[in-house]
Amino acid sequence: DVKVTQSSRYLVKRTGEKVFLECVQDMDHENMFWYRQDPGLGLRLIYFSYDVKMKEKGDIPEGYSVSREKKERFSLILESASTNQTSMYLCASSFLGLAPYEQYFGPGTRLTVT
Amino acid sequence: KNEVEQSPQNLTAQEGEFITINCSYSVGISALHWLQQHPGGGIVSLFMLSSGKKKHGRLIATINIQEKHSSLHITASHPRDSAVYICAVYAADSNYQLIWGAGTKLIIKP
Repeated sequence: DVKVTQSSRYLVKRTGEKVFLECVQDMDHENMFWYRQDPGLGLRLIYFSYDVKMKEKGDIPEGYSVSREKKERFSLILESASTNQTSMYLCASSFLGLAPYEQYFGPGTRLTVT
Repeated sequence: KNEVEQSPQNLTAQEGEFITINCSYSVGISALHWLQQHPGGGIVSLFMLSSGKKKHGRLIATINIQEKHSSLHITASHPRDSAVYICAVYAADSNYQLIWGAGTKLIIKP
């Protein structure tokens, strides 16, 4: 079974703090994704990566950065957390190919910024 | 108008009932994804399909490419099926970015 793990289920940070959210997958997937999920807005793509050190902006990259130093690990960074970044953050991974593949999701990190 | 629309938004049914959740989309697609999200957050992939029909246990997914419509059916529903069911599509020009529906919240009462 594909396993995607996220470093924390719940996280509380203060405004202005630097926040790291870690995601690890064990299926040798090329693609990794970071989404945020908010009530009424559904899932929105923040960043994705198709290879080590490669990244592409999604729909809402402002205020976020990412790092992919190893194939299995994809980190989301909030350089200076703000209250409007309070949300559920979901990591996903999939194979890369000419046709689309299923995305497999981690359990999510519920981040509260106070 | 959203590119992926699901109906109904909310559905409450009794245990044992046959459930249908619908997904309509307005863009050309290469594949459609049905996912399930239980309270607490985790999202699980149920099906990905680009034509015809797929079945897994009590779940059946169908797609009609000409009509740009997919349905997710649950037979002999059970309270543990209570979850949000989400439809998402890969646009024809992308094999990584999903366009998401808003989800259907299903509650099955014992």
